[in-house]
Amino acid sequence: EVQLVESGGGLVQPGGSLRLSCAASGFTFSSYEMNWVRQAPGKGLEWVSYISSSGSTIYYADSVKGRFTISRDNAKNSLYLQMNSLRAEDTAVYYCARGYGDWGAFDIWGQGTMVTVSS
Amino acid sequence: QSVLTQPPSVSGAPGQRVTISCTGSSSNIGAGYDVHWYQQLPGTAPKLLIYGNSNRPSGVPDRFSGSKSGTSASLAITGLQAEDEADYYCQSYDSSLSERVFGGGTKLTVL
Repeated sequence: EVQLVESGGGLVQPGGSLRLSCAASGFTFSSYEMNWVRQAPGKGLEWVSYISSSGSTIYYADSVKGRFTISRDNAKNSLYLQMNSLRAEDTAVYYCARGYGDWGAFDIWGQGTMVTVSS
Repeated sequence: QSVLTQPPSVSGAPGQRVTISCTGSSSNIGAGYDVHWYQQLPGTAPKLLIYGNSNRPSGVPDRFSGSKSGTSASLAITGLQAEDEADYYCQSYDSSLSERVFGGGTKLTVL
């Protein structure tokens, strides 16, 4: 079964750091582009970051640029999001999502992990 | 404020047809970038419903269809069922922002 499972969420103080992980299974992880997408409580979806299959190309939303770092370990079938200088507005459910070929869509999503930034 | 504009809510009776619009601009939909649609049932992760403007992934019923024209796109749902009650999001790419962008989402209520 094709699956993505996020972990690493939790409660963190403003200015703090957190590292999210996404474990992939059921497909050849190294062949796919990956993304992080977040959803603040009661709000819509917001794309956060993209990484190519090899990890050589990376993009960020302006809202997280300079604070978040996306990475992947194809040997471990894992995707990561290092989040630094966290703000209250970063509070959200964070989903990892697989890129769907060259379409620019997201075809497989994890169940999400909640990140709460609060003092 | 989302780059792609969707109506906050739509509703319809079982069996009816509803459409959800997604309005963009010359830097996203109007520039030729594909539009994708997602369904998010309450308390669950989003699910890809339509990709590349009008294509359905395997397993998505043909009651769901997508179209695109100019700077807008639409999702149509025919034969409305109670299980279709969910939030729906459009998504594309914006060249001015150099970002993948979502619409604000539309809540579909089945009366």
